[in-house]
Parts: sequence; structure tokens; C-alpha cells
Amino acid sequence: EIVLTQSPGTLSLSPGERATLSCRASQSVSSSYLAWYQQKPGQAPRLLIYGASSRATGIPDRFSGSGSGTDFTLTISRLEPEDFAVYYCQQYGSAPLTFGGGTKVEIK
Amino acid sequence: QVQLVESGGGVVQPGKSLRLSCAASGFMFTNYGMHWVRQAPGKGLEWVAVIWYDGSNKYYADSVKGRFTISRDNSKNMLYLQINSLRAEDTAVYYCAREGQGFCFSTSCTAYFDYWGQGTLVTVSS
Repeated sequence: EIVLTQSPGTLSLSPGERATLSCRASQSVSSSYLAWYQQKPGQAPRLLIYGASSRATGIPDRFSGSGSGTDFTLTISRLEPEDFAVYYCQQYGSAPLTFGGGTKVEIK
Repeated sequence: QVQLVESGGGVVQPGKSLRLSCAASGFMFTNYGMHWVRQAPGKGLEWVAVIWYDGSNKYYADSVKGRFTISRDNSKNMLYLQINSLRAEDTAVYYCAREGQGFCFSTSCTAYFDYWGQGTLVTVSS
């Protein structure tokens, strides 16, 4: 089973700043089959990125994903008030699919 | 628009059973593999089970194998999760989720999820 480790656990930033979230896998993720989700309190997760770097439908271009192998990054170029949330990475390149533990992006 | 609406959660005693439902609309349900994912209070996401678009194959997380059964009724656009022998550690919000793209391996199938329901809370407590 691939273990995904997200860092930092919490990121304290101000609106307008750049956010860089890391997801590290215990083994190489096949074909960069890695997704990112955003979850706000009391809501379901929302798909942001799949295939490591493809934005899902309707996702603003301030969200971008990069990486391959074992190291992946989600970047939010300029934080908007609605971007403060928890972000999860998920690999689907091998079974069982697994999620990271999440990074909380909070207002500084 | 795609909608997934879960129901059936509640407070249940340990050892009892529960059936969760997920009503799908706004897309061709018969074309998609469907999954259940759960989230314990204040915790992260855990994949639970998957069922193929036609119901012919099902796979489960090791933590629920033998106690959970995923099923679907394509004539009604419904997804189900039968949960038996409930334990305290099964307490969670249960989400149904649609595959954005799925892949199958010898032991299970994986996917990323492009649509999620709002979730239904299962609380196991005496």
C-alpha cells in the first residue's frame, strides 16, 4: 500500500499569498495518477486536480499541480478567501487507492 | 447537473446493521463505477469499496472486508452499502463518489472521484 505524507500539516497564510502544499509517496505513483481535493468544514471533498497536473472542470487557474514519481505539489498562486480549507492528495496508480492525511490552509 | 444524495445514516448500537443508500441523478449511472469513501470525525478520508458500472465486480478495503457489501440497482440509479457487525471505529461520514476515471488491478480497482455526495453520518454507540 502506498502511504502518502502531506506537509506541512497546517499552513498559515494571508489572502493574496502563494500556497505550496507537498504530497510525498512511499513508492512511486504509477503514471502520475495523483489527485488533489479541497474540503471545507461540513462539506464533501471537491476534485481540484487529477493526473498530477490536470485541472478539473470549473477549477480556477490559480490552482496548479505538479510532480511525478514520489513528490507532488499543489500550488495556489494567490489565495482567495474561499481557498482556506483542508487539502488532500490521493493516489490511484496502484491498489488500494490511498489518501494523504491532509494539509489545512488557514488564515494568518 | 450531477447529484449524489446519500441517506440511511444514524445512531446504531455496536454489532447491529445498517444500509446506506445513494441516489444518483444528472448522468448516465450505468456508465460509471461507484465508490464509498468514509471520514471519521476530525480525521482524513478512507476508501471503503467500489462496484463496477454493471455490478459485476466489487472490491473492499481490508478494514471492512467481510462486513460491508456494496451493491447497486441500475434500474433505479441507486448505490447501496450494507454494513454489518458495526464497530465503534466505523463511526464516520460515508460519502458516495463517482469515478472520474477508473483503473483495475489484480486485487482491486482505483479511481479519482469527480463528484461526491454530501455524506451521511453513521455513529456507532451503545
